[in-house]
Amino acid sequence: NAGVTQTPKFRVLKTGQSMTLLCAQDMNHEYMYWYRQDPGMGLRLIHYSVGEGTTAKGEVPDGYNVSRLKKQNFLLGLESAAPSQTSVYFCASSYSIGHDRGSIYFGEGSWLTVV
Amino acid sequence: QQQVKQSPQSLIVQKGGISIINCAYENTAFDYFPWYQQFPGKGPALLIAIRPDVSEKKEGRFTISFNKSAKQFSLHIMDSQPGDSATYFCAASIYAGGTSYGKLTFGQGTILTVHP
Repeated sequence: NAGVTQTPKFRVLKTGQSMTLLCAQDMNHEYMYWYRQDPGMGLRLIHYSVGEGTTAKGEVPDGYNVSRLKKQNFLLGLESAAPSQTSVYFCASSYSIGHDRGSIYFGEGSWLTVV
Repeated sequence: QQQVKQSPQSLIVQKGGISIINCAYENTAFDYFPWYQQFPGKGPALLIAIRPDVSEKKEGRFTISFNKSAKQFSLHIMDSQPGDSATYFCAASIYAGGTSYGKLTFGQGTILTVHP
């Protein structure tokens, strides 16, 4: 009963380096999301996907790219990391239909520090 | 631009007391208002949610009160317990918009501490 799993949990990057955060869900959810959490700002949506092969921009998409090649996976990429991208990243997923469709399930987070 | 404003930033309550957290929103298209609870080192977890066709929803010790005309909603935790100590986030989204309901707009969060 894994739910939403994120890897890695912690990572330190140097400015300009690239990396990919992996999110996997085992609930057969159609929708997946990437949020970032910063002190005093709550969580902000970076990108989201409404199905395999489709992605869309959220509130703060600059500096990030995403891909959803498989229904259960959603990847978040940083092509050239900047200190402003130091944050905690949360992946989430949800159903698109049914009585439970308003419930968003979050992973446990990935702590990223860019130095 | 913060579309959902949450207060207070932090709250200290004695065991058995009532914890009250307030949120105000601007976008009148919002029609789904969930509250999330987050423990340190964990992701947010859905606590309770309300849609604007009702003014109150209660689940155990947790109650959401909703005032559509004032564009405000609040979380009340009755008989607060030390185990309730966590960060609470209100959020809002457009539930009826097909693909929009996962696109949550979050408040800034409230750190609740319940003293034994």
